[in-house]
Amino acid sequence: DTAVSQTPKYLVTQMGNDKSIKCEQNLGHDTMYWYKQDSKKFLKIMFSYNNKELIINETVPNRFSPKSPDKAHLNLHINSLELGDSAVYFCASSPRVGSGYEGQFFGPGTRLTVL
Amino acid sequence: GQQVMQIPQYQHVQEGEDFTTYCNSSTTLSNIQWYKQRPGGHPVFLIQLVKSGEVKKQKRLTFQFGEAKKNSSLHITATQTTDVGTYFCAPTNTGGFKTIFGAGTRLFVKA
Repeated sequence: DTAVSQTPKYLVTQMGNDKSIKCEQNLGHDTMYWYKQDSKKFLKIMFSYNNKELIINETVPNRFSPKSPDKAHLNLHINSLELGDSAVYFCASSPRVGSGYEGQFFGPGTRLTVL
Repeated sequence: GQQVMQIPQYQHVQEGEDFTTYCNSSTTLSNIQWYKQRPGGHPVFLIQLVKSGEVKKQKRLTFQFGEAKKNSSLHITATQTTDVGTYFCAPTNTGGFKTIFGAGTRLFVKA
Protein backbone atom coordinates (compact mmCIF):
# COMPACT_ATOMS: atom_id res chain seq x y z
CA ASP A 1 0.00 0.00 0.00
CA THR A 2 1.31 3.40 -0.98
CA ALA A 3 1.66 5.66 2.05
CA VAL A 4 1.70 9.00 0.22
CA SER A 5 0.43 9.02 -3.35
CA GLN A 6 0.38 11.77 -5.93
CA THR A 7 -1.33 12.09 -9.28
CA PRO A 8 -0.36 12.60 -11.96
CA LYS A 9 3.24 11.40 -12.01
CA TYR A 10 4.02 13.47 -15.10
CA LEU A 11 2.35 16.63 -16.33
CA VAL A 12 3.26 18.38 -19.58
CA THR A 13 1.34 21.51 -20.42
CA GLN A 14 1.46 24.84 -22.22
CA MET A 15 2.21 28.19 -20.64
CA GLY A 16 -0.90 29.92 -19.39
CA ASN A 17 -2.83 26.73 -18.64
CA ASP A 18 -4.28 25.79 -15.26
CA LYS A 19 -3.45 22.41 -13.73
CA SER A 20 -3.95 20.48 -10.50
CA ILE A 21 -1.91 17.91 -8.63
CA LYS A 22 -3.56 15.64 -6.11
CA CYS A 23 -2.04 14.13 -2.98
CA GLU A 24 -3.40 11.55 -0.57
CA GLN A 25 -1.86 9.93 2.51
CA ASN A 26 -3.20 6.84 4.26
CA LEU A 27 -0.94 7.15 7.31
CA GLY A 28 -3.36 9.04 9.49
CA HIS A 29 -0.97 11.98 9.72
CA ASP A 30 -2.07 15.42 10.83
CA THR A 31 0.34 17.49 8.78
CA MET A 32 0.85 17.68 5.04
CA TYR A 33 3.23 19.68 2.88
CA TRP A 34 4.02 20.72 -0.66
CA TYR A 35 7.61 21.08 -1.80
CA LYS A 36 9.13 22.22 -5.08
CA GLN A 37 12.39 20.69 -6.31
CA ASP A 38 14.03 22.56 -9.16
CA SER A 39 16.47 21.30 -11.77
CA LYS A 40 19.40 21.90 -9.40
CA LYS A 41 17.73 19.64 -6.83
CA PHE A 42 17.03 22.43 -4.35
CA LEU A 43 14.06 21.30 -2.27
CA LYS A 44 11.96 24.21 -1.09
CA ILE A 45 8.90 24.12 1.12
CA MET A 46 5.83 25.81 -0.33
CA PHE A 47 2.98 25.08 2.07
CA SER A 48 2.29 23.29 5.35
CA TYR A 49 -1.17 22.25 6.47
CA ASN A 50 -2.15 20.90 9.87
CA ASN A 51 -5.57 19.33 10.26
CA LYS A 52 -6.77 21.01 7.07
CA GLU A 53 -5.58 24.45 8.16
CA LEU A 54 -2.86 26.41 6.36
CA ILE A 55 0.10 26.92 8.69
CA ILE A 56 2.96 27.90 6.41
CA ASN A 57 2.86 29.77 3.10
CA GLU A 58 6.39 30.39 1.95
CA THR A 59 5.78 33.50 -0.17
CA VAL A 60 4.50 31.38 -2.99
CA PRO A 61 2.82 33.34 -5.84
CA ASN A 62 -0.93 33.39 -5.44
CA ARG A 63 -1.22 31.48 -8.71
CA PHE A 64 -0.61 28.48 -6.46
CA SER A 65 -3.62 27.57 -4.36
CA PRO A 66 -3.52 24.54 -2.07
CA LYS A 67 -6.71 22.94 -0.86
CA SER A 68 -7.16 20.40 1.90
CA PRO A 69 -10.68 18.89 1.79
CA ASP A 70 -9.80 16.61 4.70
CA LYS A 71 -6.78 15.59 6.75
CA ALA A 72 -5.77 12.88 4.27
CA HIS A 73 -5.75 15.05 1.15
CA LEU A 74 -3.82 18.10 0.05
CA ASN A 75 -4.22 19.21 -3.53
CA LEU A 76 -2.33 21.90 -5.39
CA HIS A 77 -3.91 24.00 -8.11
CA ILE A 78 -1.74 26.19 -10.29
CA ASN A 79 -3.18 28.96 -12.45
CA SER A 80 -1.59 30.60 -15.48
CA LEU A 81 1.40 28.28 -15.59
CA GLU A 82 4.79 29.83 -16.35
CA LEU A 83 8.02 28.34 -17.66
CA GLY A 84 9.62 28.77 -14.23
CA ASP A 85 7.01 26.50 -12.68
CA SER A 86 8.67 23.52 -14.34
CA ALA A 87 9.96 21.35 -11.49
CA VAL A 88 9.20 18.23 -9.50
CA TYR A 89 6.51 18.82 -6.89
CA PHE A 90 6.55 16.61 -3.84
CA CYS A 91 3.78 16.12 -1.37
CA ALA A 92 4.72 14.93 2.12
CA SER A 93 3.05 14.15 5.43
CA SER A 94 4.16 13.79 9.03
CA PRO A 95 2.59 12.78 12.31
CA ARG A 96 1.37 15.24 14.92
CA VAL A 97 4.14 17.50 16.18
CA GLY A 98 5.35 16.14 19.50
CA SER A 99 4.29 12.58 18.74
CA GLY A 100 7.88 11.41 18.99
CA TYR A 101 8.36 10.75 15.30
CA GLU A 102 8.96 13.89 13.32
CA GLY A 103 10.14 12.57 9.97
CA GLN A 104 8.23 13.33 6.82
CA PHE A 105 6.99 10.75 4.36
CA PHE A 106 7.28 11.94 0.78
CA GLY A 107 5.16 11.03 -2.19
CA PRO A 108 6.77 9.90 -5.46
CA GLY A 109 6.64 13.39 -6.95
CA THR A 110 4.94 14.99 -9.93
CA ARG A 111 7.22 16.16 -12.71
CA LEU A 112 5.67 19.28 -14.21
CA THR A 113 6.96 20.54 -17.55
CA VAL A 114 5.66 23.84 -18.88
CA LEU A 115 6.27 24.43 -22.58
CA GLY B 1 15.31 33.03 8.15
CA GLN B 2 16.87 29.78 9.16
CA GLN B 3 19.32 28.51 6.58
CA VAL B 4 21.93 25.80 6.48
CA MET B 5 25.00 25.36 4.36
CA GLN B 6 25.80 21.83 3.32
CA ILE B 7 29.22 20.71 2.08
CA PRO B 8 30.52 19.29 -0.08
CA GLN B 9 28.13 19.73 -2.99
CA TYR B 10 29.41 16.56 -4.64
CA GLN B 11 31.58 13.66 -3.53
CA HIS B 12 33.00 10.87 -5.65
CA VAL B 13 34.32 7.86 -3.75
CA GLN B 14 35.56 4.40 -4.53
CA GLU B 15 33.40 1.65 -3.08
CA GLY B 16 34.70 0.84 0.38
CA GLU B 17 35.88 4.37 1.14
CA ASP B 18 34.28 6.48 3.84
CA PHE B 19 32.13 9.55 3.18
CA THR B 20 31.12 12.53 5.29
CA THR B 21 28.75 15.40 4.62
CA TYR B 22 28.53 18.47 6.84
CA CYS B 23 25.72 20.82 7.63
CA ASN B 24 26.38 24.24 9.19
CA SER B 25 24.09 26.93 10.50
CA SER B 26 24.78 30.44 11.76
CA THR B 27 21.94 30.10 14.26
CA THR B 28 21.15 27.52 16.94
CA LEU B 29 18.91 24.78 15.66
CA SER B 30 16.12 23.17 17.65
CA ASN B 31 16.63 19.91 15.78
CA ILE B 32 17.91 18.57 12.50
CA GLN B 33 16.70 15.81 10.22
CA TRP B 34 18.57 13.90 7.54
CA TYR B 35 17.07 12.57 4.33
CA LYS B 36 18.36 10.50 1.42
CA GLN B 37 17.11 10.87 -2.14
CA ARG B 38 18.07 8.26 -4.71
CA PRO B 39 18.40 9.43 -8.34
CA GLY B 40 14.91 9.75 -9.76
CA GLY B 41 13.36 9.06 -6.37
CA HIS B 42 11.85 10.95 -3.50
CA PRO B 43 13.45 12.02 -0.21
CA VAL B 44 13.40 9.34 2.47
CA PHE B 45 13.67 10.24 6.14
CA LEU B 46 16.75 8.80 7.84
CA ILE B 47 16.90 10.29 11.33
CA GLN B 48 16.20 13.25 13.60
CA LEU B 49 18.70 14.70 16.08
CA VAL B 50 17.50 16.86 18.93
CA LYS B 51 20.00 16.91 21.78
CA SER B 52 23.26 18.83 21.95
CA GLY B 53 26.19 16.53 21.14
CA GLU B 54 23.88 13.69 20.14
CA VAL B 55 25.35 10.79 18.17
CA LYS B 56 23.17 8.17 16.53
CA LYS B 57 24.11 5.17 14.42
CA GLN B 58 22.24 3.24 11.78
CA LYS B 59 24.42 0.35 10.60
CA ARG B 60 27.19 2.06 8.58
CA LEU B 61 25.72 5.55 9.02
CA THR B 62 26.72 7.78 11.96
CA PHE B 63 24.89 11.04 12.61
CA GLN B 64 26.17 13.79 14.91
CA PHE B 65 24.67 16.99 16.25
CA GLY B 66 27.17 19.59 17.44
CA GLU B 67 27.47 20.69 21.04
CA ALA B 68 26.29 24.17 20.11
CA LYS B 69 23.50 22.74 17.94
CA LYS B 70 24.76 24.74 14.98
CA ASN B 71 26.20 21.93 12.93
CA SER B 72 25.62 18.32 12.09
CA SER B 73 27.31 15.59 10.10
CA LEU B 74 26.54 12.29 8.44
CA HIS B 75 29.35 9.79 8.09
CA ILE B 76 29.11 6.61 6.04
CA THR B 77 31.67 3.91 6.69
CA ALA B 78 32.79 1.68 3.82
CA THR B 79 30.45 3.02 1.17
CA GLN B 80 28.52 0.68 -1.09
CA THR B 81 26.94 1.33 -4.47
CA THR B 82 23.56 1.33 -2.76
CA ASP B 83 24.61 4.48 -0.89
CA VAL B 84 24.45 6.50 -4.11
CA GLY B 85 22.13 9.48 -3.90
CA THR B 86 21.76 12.96 -2.45
CA TYR B 87 21.87 13.45 1.29
CA PHE B 88 19.99 16.43 2.71
CA CYS B 89 20.16 17.93 6.15
CA ALA B 90 16.95 19.66 7.16
CA PRO B 91 16.37 21.61 10.35
CA THR B 92 12.81 22.12 11.47
CA ASN B 93 11.54 25.25 13.16
CA THR B 94 10.39 25.11 16.76
CA GLY B 95 6.74 24.79 15.79
CA GLY B 96 7.63 21.82 13.64
CA PHE B 97 5.71 22.84 10.56
CA LYS B 98 8.54 24.29 8.51
CA THR B 99 11.52 22.25 7.39
CA ILE B 100 14.33 23.96 5.53
CA PHE B 101 16.37 21.64 3.36
CA GLY B 102 20.06 22.16 2.75
CA ALA B 103 21.32 22.10 -0.83
CA GLY B 104 22.30 18.44 -0.41
CA THR B 105 25.46 16.47 -1.00
CA ARG B 106 25.38 14.21 -3.99
CA LEU B 107 27.32 11.00 -3.44
CA PHE B 108 28.72 8.98 -6.31
CA VAL B 109 30.17 5.54 -5.55
CA LYS B 110 32.37 3.80 -8.07
CA ALA B 111 32.43 0.01 -7.89
